[in-house]
Amino acid sequence: QQPVQSPQAVILREGEDAVINCSSSKALYSVHWYRQKHGEAPVFLMILLKGGEQKGHEKISASFNEKKQQSSLYLTASQLSYSGTYFCGIFTGGGNKLTFGTGTQLKVEL
Amino acid sequence: NAGVMQNPRHLVRRRGQEARLRCSPMKGHSHVYWYRQLPEEGLKFMVYLQKENIIDESGMPKERFSAEFPKEGPSILRIQQVVRGDSAAYFCASSNQGVPFSYNSPLHFGNGTRLTVT
Repeated sequence: QQPVQSPQAVILREGEDAVINCSSSKALYSVHWYRQKHGEAPVFLMILLKGGEQKGHEKISASFNEKKQQSSLYLTASQLSYSGTYFCGIFTGGGNKLTFGTGTQLKVEL
Repeated sequence: NAGVMQNPRHLVRRRGQEARLRCSPMKGHSHVYWYRQLPEEGLKFMVYLQKENIIDESGMPKERFSAEFPKEGPSILRIQQVVRGDSAAYFCASSNQGVPFSYNSPLHFGNGTRLTVT
């Protein structure tokens, strides 16, 4: 089942912070975060694993609450280049595939 | 270029024709995923393949769609007798780990094939 992301869209001024949330109705093995700019391929940002291990971008932080089956992506001191659509993807127990969420459109303005 | 290569970048087909989309994974990757994306929507899983095997095709329509990943050569997504509703961007992604460790490895995406059915 598709994870739900919130908010659906957010507009920031450069330098502001944002939090993007991802929640699942199923137990999670891992949560992946990707960013996609218009007309381009999704780009890997981060993986969060059960047990607390994280792999990914040094300048991006995220959390993974296994009990609540939720993850949050924290974007601090936003830059214009952060604009794009952010997708979380989940692997659930026994799953072979990464199921992506509904997406959050982020726009950073001057 | 060591990245995931997809071709063609743009493909126009008339209703009823066949579309063949190709994907060469990153060097050293033997796991390929296909996703479909409609305008302003998310990425919908279609199929997961390893060399010569289909592992999970639960997202693939039962008719007209097929996928393969032969021992040699690229992965192919084939759509027969295309209809207007097939118009979308089709993304391929590759990974260096598969079941049961798929969850542990990032997917690397190609630039996609934009299919337009007229």
